Amino acid sequence: DARVTQTPRDKVTEMGQEVTMRCQPILGHNTVFWYRQTMMQGLELLAYFRNRAPLDDSGMPKDRFSAEMPDATLATLKIQPSEPRDSAVYFCASGKTSGTEQFFGPGTRLTVL
Amino acid sequence: ELKVEQNPLFLSMQEGKNYTIYCNYSTTSDRLYWYRQDPGKSLESLFVLLSNGAVKQEGRLMASLDTKARLSTLHITAAVHDLSATYFCADSGSNYQLIWGAGTKLIIKP
Repeated sequence: DARVTQTPRDKVTEMGQEVTMRCQPILGHNTVFWYRQTMMQGLELLAYFRNRAPLDDSGMPKDRFSAEMPDATLATLKIQPSEPRDSAVYFCASGKTSGTEQFFGPGTRLTVL
Repeated sequence: ELKVEQNPLFLSMQEGKNYTIYCNYSTTSDRLYWYRQDPGKSLESLFVLLSNGAVKQEGRLMASLDTKARLSTLHITAAVHDLSATYFCADSGSNYQLIWGAGTKLIIKP
C-alpha cells in the first residue's frame, strides 16, 4: 500500500530553533508539494518540485524557509529560525505528473513556543 | 486570477437529509478533484472527475462535473454522522499545481 510518509508527526520547539521536516513521496511519483494548513489561512502551497527540481517556492517566506529534494525518495522543508507564527500543520503531497491527483502524507504538526 | 469557490463554507444538517456542495472554478480545466479531511487528519482523495459530464458515486456521496458551467457538485444523500468532515474541491487549471477551494465544513447531527 503506497503512501506518502512524513516525519516527525509532531514537533514542539522554541522560537529561534531550526526545524527540519522530512517527506518520502510515493515511489514513481515525480511531483512533490509542501503545504501549510492553519485555521486562519487554510491550505497554502509553499513549494513544488518536479523531477526533484524546485519549480515554484513563491508561497514560502524566503528568509527563513528552504525546501530541497536531495534525492527522489526524500524531500525536506527547513525553517531557520522558527517563529511562533510558523505554528501549523505541514503536509507533503506527491503526484504522478503535473496537475494530477495528489496524495497527502499524514502531516507534521509544528508548535513554536 | 485562477480561483476555486466552494459554497457553502459551513453546513450543519440533520441525519437523513440530502444536500449539495457546489464548487465553481475559473479555468477551462476538464479535471476536478474532491478530497475529504477529518478533524486532525490529512486530506484523502475522494473523487477524480476527468471529463465533462463525469459522475462518480461512492456510498452516499456523488460527485459530478460540468466543464461548460465550470461547476462541480458533491451531493450527499441521506446523510449520516460519519460523513461529518471538511470537503475540498481542487481544479487542475494550472500547469503544475491544483487550485484549491477553501473547504466546506460539514457537520451532520444525529
